[in-house]
Amino acid sequence: DGGITQSPKYLFRKEGQNVTLSCEQNLNHDAMYWYRQDPGQGLRLIYYSQIVNDFQKGDIAEGYSVSREKKESFPLTVTSAQKNPTAFYLCASSSGQGQETQYFGPGTRLLVL
Amino acid sequence: SQKIEQNSEALNIQEGKTATLTCNYTNYSPAYLQWYRQDPGRGPVFLLLIRENEKEKRKERLKVTFDTTLKQSLFHITASQPADSATYLCAASRGGYNKLIFGAGTRLAVHP
Repeated sequence: DGGITQSPKYLFRKEGQNVTLSCEQNLNHDAMYWYRQDPGQGLRLIYYSQIVNDFQKGDIAEGYSVSREKKESFPLTVTSAQKNPTAFYLCASSSGQGQETQYFGPGTRLLVL
Repeated sequence: SQKIEQNSEALNIQEGKTATLTCNYTNYSPAYLQWYRQDPGRGPVFLLLIRENEKEKRKERLKVTFDTTLKQSLFHITASQPADSATYLCAASRGGYNKLIFGAGTRLAVHP
């Protein structure tokens, strides 16, 4: 089955800890994205990558980092500099020819202990 | 700043009726609008895309309109069913490599 997967489903972070959220796709898509979703707010773009080994900051990149070493993978690290990390994190991909339809993963809920 | 606004209040309707959800945009001229469905604790799922030169798009029981004069898109679900209950997100883009901007979504509840 083609699709986009995220793991883990739930993640707990301790004070001062960095945590990494996984995102993998087998849709052969060039572009991948990370969004953060908070209650009552629209999805906000954290980082995006249009091609392997290249990525750009979105609207709320502070306290986050990414890498794109493989076309299939776009992991997001939530660093200790992100002071309010509790949220639902969504990864998405698109064919990359413009930014039309995006395909989303099931999401990771990050909670702070 | 660019804004995509959706009604934050939940929409409650009776089964069989038509649900109409609204998406308004300000300080923005999108080349296209998209609608997504999101169930609780799940990722959004793409439903329909409409371009600025299209007035209306249909897919089964779904219909989307795009009015560039009113700066508004309407999303209709005809013959609604309880299984249509979900949050519906509107997203806009200027196209090319411009990012998608999402609204906060409207929750729809269809009652038997």
